[in-house]
Amino acid sequence: EDQVTQSPEALRLQEGESSSLNCSYTVSGLRGLFWYRQDPGKGPEFLFTLYSAGEEKEKERLKATLTKKESFLHITAPKPEDSATYLCAVPSSGGYQKVTFGTGTKLQVIP
Amino acid sequence: DTEVTQTPKHLVMGMTNKKSLKCEQHMGHRAMYWYKQKAKKPPELMFVYSYEKLSINESVPSRFSPECPNSSLLNLHLHALQPEDSALYLCASSQGQGPMNTEAFFGQGTRLTVV
Repeated sequence: EDQVTQSPEALRLQEGESSSLNCSYTVSGLRGLFWYRQDPGKGPEFLFTLYSAGEEKEKERLKATLTKKESFLHITAPKPEDSATYLCAVPSSGGYQKVTFGTGTKLQVIP
Repeated sequence: DTEVTQTPKHLVMGMTNKKSLKCEQHMGHRAMYWYKQKAKKPPELMFVYSYEKLSINESVPSRFSPECPNSSLLNLHLHALQPEDSALYLCASSQGQGPMNTEAFFGQGTRLTVV
């Protein structure tokens, strides 16, 4: 059974305090990994797609990396506007249009 | 443009009402999705349309009826809902072509309250 686990569940950072969010997965034949940001009451906003181990992508203060078993979302010098829930998702092994979402990490950045 | 537009943003309906949620994208995507999201939970897949045909139904109760009139539009018809169906309903689309999954782009959702 496909599994996606995110940790920590919640993270509270001071503004400027860098940290990393983890997404570990168990799926047969990884066909990509997606990171999303979701603000309360809004739809998820696409951030990154990673396809192969060793791949890295950056956007402003965010950097996503991928290994064979997990992905990290590194947040460098976060600002209060980075506060959100961060979700990762992987295509399910049972069907290429289905994805399995992790339960998310709720990030709060305090000024 | 990576915009998926959902209407209405908020909807309150009684258990005997019939209503519809609408979704539109103009990215040329051939896969469109309906998800349901409860508070503090990840999105839960309901339906997938691929090239305007229903390809996945995640055993959703028949009181939810999807429709894909054309490649840009997706509707979700609601009838005789229960209070536990109250949730954020999300529409998404993706390229839906080729063997690799591609990222999905989500709308802002419809907050549905069933009274």
